[in-house]
Amino acid sequence: GQNIDQPTEMTATEGAIVQINCTYQTSGFNGLFWYQQHAGEAPTFLSYNVLDGLEEKGRFSSFLSRSKGYSYLLLKELQMKDSASYLCAVMDSNYQLIWGAGTKLIIKP
Amino acid sequence: EADIYQTPRYLVIGTGKKITLECSQTMGHDKMYWYQQDPGMELHLIHYSYGVNSTEKGDLSSESTVSRIRTEHFPLTLESARPSHTSQYLCASSEGGGETYEQYFGPGTRLTVT
Repeated sequence: GQNIDQPTEMTATEGAIVQINCTYQTSGFNGLFWYQQHAGEAPTFLSYNVLDGLEEKGRFSSFLSRSKGYSYLLLKELQMKDSASYLCAVMDSNYQLIWGAGTKLIIKP
Repeated sequence: EADIYQTPRYLVIGTGKKITLECSQTMGHDKMYWYQQDPGMELHLIHYSYGVNSTEKGDLSSESTVSRIRTEHFPLTLESARPSHTSQYLCASSEGGGETYEQYFGPGTRLTVT
């Protein structure tokens, strides 16, 4: 079966750095996405990785290791507005997205 | 700025009623999707479409139907609503390959069936 695993909840302090991990087992691989979802709102796109390595976008970076079935999202200089759920999703061989349940990130002052 | 709209945003309806959730996008995207999401849970694909007159069932398609008569419009119909249908319904669209695999989401419809 297809499976995406990520921690249910994480807590971090404003101004700090946090790393959210995602491991996956899917039928084929056509890229990995990270989305941010604030409570009661729709997901919004953060990053896309299809090759191994680190992609940096401002305060957010995403890393992929295809051989390990592993990705992480790194958030730097945390702000209170970063409190949200972070969803990991893998595009399988049929070009369908398989979604993780999300990691709820709580930022404390 | 993504332009994808869903109506209604909130709906409370009785068991057995027929309902249609509307989704429209103005980006000209060929691919459109319907997802169901319960609080704290993953998104489940209900239906998807790769273009006009193309519709496919996802993992969670039972008891609902979709149509794609126009590129911009992708309505979801529940023929007979049940309390188990209470959930958040998210519509999304995407353009195609590479970076454009990115899916843009509408604001969602929160459905409660009593």
